[in-house]
Amino acid sequence: QKEVEQDPGPLSVPEGAIVSLNCTYSNSAFQYFMWYRQYSRKGPELLMYTYSSGNKEDGRFTAQVDKSSKYISLFIRDSQPSDSATYLCAMYTGGYQKVTFGTGTKLQVIP
Amino acid sequence: NAGVTQTPKFQVLKTGQSMTLQCAQDMNHNSMYWYRQDPGMGLRLIYYSASEGTTDKGEVPNGYNVSRLNKREFSLRLESAAPSQTSVYFCASSASSGSLEQYFGPGTRLTVT
Repeated sequence: QKEVEQDPGPLSVPEGAIVSLNCTYSNSAFQYFMWYRQYSRKGPELLMYTYSSGNKEDGRFTAQVDKSSKYISLFIRDSQPSDSATYLCAMYTGGYQKVTFGTGTKLQVIP
Repeated sequence: NAGVTQTPKFQVLKTGQSMTLQCAQDMNHNSMYWYRQDPGMGLRLIYYSASEGTTDKGEVPNGYNVSRLNKREFSLRLESAAPSQTSVYFCASSASSGSLEQYFGPGTRLTVT
């Protein structure tokens, strides 16, 4: 079993829809939870991160962590065609440990 | 400010050939990383360098070697390429190995025939 599981999609939604992207994980030591966005043929870039449980909002994006269920989500409100990309979740225990990435979910927002 | 740069962008090798992938960052970061990205496997860490002068194995180091040439540059070498090394290779850097944010380069698409 992988430490981090993520549905690869693809997920197609109409412009303006609310998008929900999710990851599950097995390592209860993970403390930091990140979402990276990767446009086609580009490197990933950090979108936002959350420490421990709870929600964090940044514009149209909300990251949610439920440590009791080992489940994290990224919500995108009023989705735009420019949001079309692959979204990778990433997790980290802290200290000088490596980051573990999910496989990514490909999102397409149709105008 | 170019961030993280990688060369080459594309490469085709025959089985058994060798090559070096180059990476440089201009953000004065201490830590640098090499990942490979394969469909269904996500990003997997090959090697990393927590600081200048140190390198450590990641999740999938077999078949690769690295050199941290100086604080800016971190190269990845394939001594005898195999078809299983066909992948997209990303270099990344971070302020330190305890930093959350890693900055990625544009990637090198490598095909081994």
